Order: sequence, then structure tokens, then C-alpha cells
Amino acid sequence: SQQGEEDPQALSIQEGENATMNCSYKTSINNLQWYRQNSGRGLVHLILIRSNEREKHSGRLRVTLDTSKKSSSLLITASRAADTASYFCAPSLLTGGGNKLTFGTGTQLKVEL
Amino acid sequence: DAGITQSPRHKVTETGTPVTLRCHQTENHRYMYWYRQDPGHGLRLIHYSYGVKDTDKGEVSDGYSVSRSKTEDFLLTLESATSSQTSVYFCAISENKQGSGANVLTFGAGSRLTVL
Repeated sequence: SQQGEEDPQALSIQEGENATMNCSYKTSINNLQWYRQNSGRGLVHLILIRSNEREKHSGRLRVTLDTSKKSSSLLITASRAADTASYFCAPSLLTGGGNKLTFGTGTQLKVEL
Repeated sequence: DAGITQSPRHKVTETGTPVTLRCHQTENHRYMYWYRQDPGHGLRLIHYSYGVKDTDKGEVSDGYSVSRSKTEDFLLTLESATSSQTSVYFCAISENKQGSGANVLTFGAGSRLTVL
């Protein structure tokens, strides 16, 4: 397993703005996943992008992956107060169930009204 | 969180006492994981299980043991709790993401443990 590093550590924006957070990792991967954690809760899976994909969309989320730079970005468009949470990336080398994902310290996003 | 429950949700104990946290799933998933989350450290894997009676260590396993006698239950035990084990503990199960060919994690709500 390997750990991704999220950047920035903290991000504060106004409601309606877009939020971009980045993830860097060090070794080859099969896929990269993004998770969200609301205060006091467990992580929730948001989106998965495979190594042969460059971009993926899900609702207001857009994820990009650049395997040559070993980096990914998560864009949240038209942010809402409810998007306030910590966001974690999890690069994964395995595709099977033994997916020992590890997580960094995340990006803390605050969306202000 | 649907299909996965942790107990207790909150516990305060004293140094040197044994503590067991329970993770229960109703999804019949093979893989289960225990993480701890601490400020400045993110989530770190303690132990994981790939089946009944099949477990292995994660990156921070010292001071912890696990057992899985049934598919649905994964127990984390602190034999003699220390203040450094004060943390929030999360259990997770691994499920195949439809169409992706990869497994994603579903987390429990967490168990907050304070060791005095």
C-alpha cells in the first residue's frame, strides 16, 4: 500500500466558488480513490479513477489523474456549505479485495456562506 | 453507515486496562480493516482481515491484536491500554465497486477511545 499526500492542508472558499485539491503519490498505481470525511464521521467513498483514465466526472465532482506526474486533482464545482469536510486521496496498486488503502492527513475544506 | 456498526462509540478507560472494540457487518464481505485516526497522522492501518481467522498486521499494529471468528465480526483488542492509544478508531469493509474492477472501502462511524 502507499499513501497519498493531499495539498493544500486547508482551503477556505465562499459558497458557489470552485474548490480544487491535489494529491501526489510515489509509486505506480492501478487506481486512485477520493474520500470525504465530515466532522465526527467515517470516510465516505466519492469517486474512483483508474490508471488508464485521465478524467472522470460525478455530479459536481471532477477528478483528473496524471500518472506521469503521479498526481491527481479533485475539483468540486459550485461548492455548497454542505461540502465542508476533509478530503482524502488513496492511491491503490491492487484491484482485489485486499486493498490496504492508506490515507494522508487530507485537505480540510471550509465553504463559507 | 449502512451495513457496518462499531461498538462502543465512545469509551473512557484507564491505563493498563484491556479494551475491545467491535466491528459488525451485515454485508458478508470478506475483507475488514481497523484504522486509527490522529491529528497530524491521517488514518493509519492497524490490522486487517481477509477472511475468518485470517488476519495480518498493518503499519501500526504494536499494542493491538485482532480476532475474526465469524465473517460478520472483527474485534480489535488493546491488551493493556496506554495513553498513546487515545484515538478515534475506524473499522472498514471492502466491497467491489460495480463496474470499476476495484474495491472501495466503506467505513463505520468510528469509536472514540480515551485512555487516562
